[in-house]
Amino acid sequence: KAGVTQTPRYLIKTRGQQVTLSCSPISGHRSVSWYQQTPGQGLQFLFEYFSETQRNKGNFPGRFSGRQFSNSRSEMNVSTLELGDSALYLCASRGSAEQYFGPGTRLTVT
Amino acid sequence: GIQVEQSPPDLILQEGANSTLRCNFSDSVNNLQWFHQNPWGQLINLFYIPSGTKQNGRLSATTVATERYSLLYISSSQTTDSGVYFCAVDIGGNTPLVFGKGTRLSVIA
Repeated sequence: KAGVTQTPRYLIKTRGQQVTLSCSPISGHRSVSWYQQTPGQGLQFLFEYFSETQRNKGNFPGRFSGRQFSNSRSEMNVSTLELGDSALYLCASRGSAEQYFGPGTRLTVT
Repeated sequence: GIQVEQSPPDLILQEGANSTLRCNFSDSVNNLQWFHQNPWGQLINLFYIPSGTKQNGRLSATTVATERYSLLYISSSQTTDSGVYFCAVDIGGNTPLVFGKGTRLSVIA
């Protein structure tokens, strides 16, 4: 079975721009979660989608949004980028039990 | 909400040494996972262990759900074991996993 994939793997953006990150979950998994990890920090939960509906949401401003498509692929969008948005963004998919992570997208905002 | 605490926060080992990482949680959980984040940022699944003991090579894990803790044992550590170890608990009800802050392990040759 293919694992969780994320694109792009690296991204450099300028303050004020917007960015869209993509995640393809493991086949058959309907839950996709997104996390932000800044240098030296733990995992901050952004949101979770299940069957195209946002099921859980973390404590992030409205500039962070996401969606899930009928094939369970998910995208997250960050608008009006700030320097503090520079981070590793991790996507995870989950079936009935274990959660598995993708390799992450490393976003740098200059 | 549930609190997940990991100890120690940092650990430095000589190659070949053994170590024990601890994860305490403040309430009942349905499941518990251990992950290893390598220096490139990838989180690797180590164990899915709601209770009991599991072993995988040099690594083993024990969860005592009634006492609300889990332990991860690393024997004969290698430099490739370096990274951050996270535990995460599932409290059910379609809620997201709750992660501890991690234990940063550095294994020195």
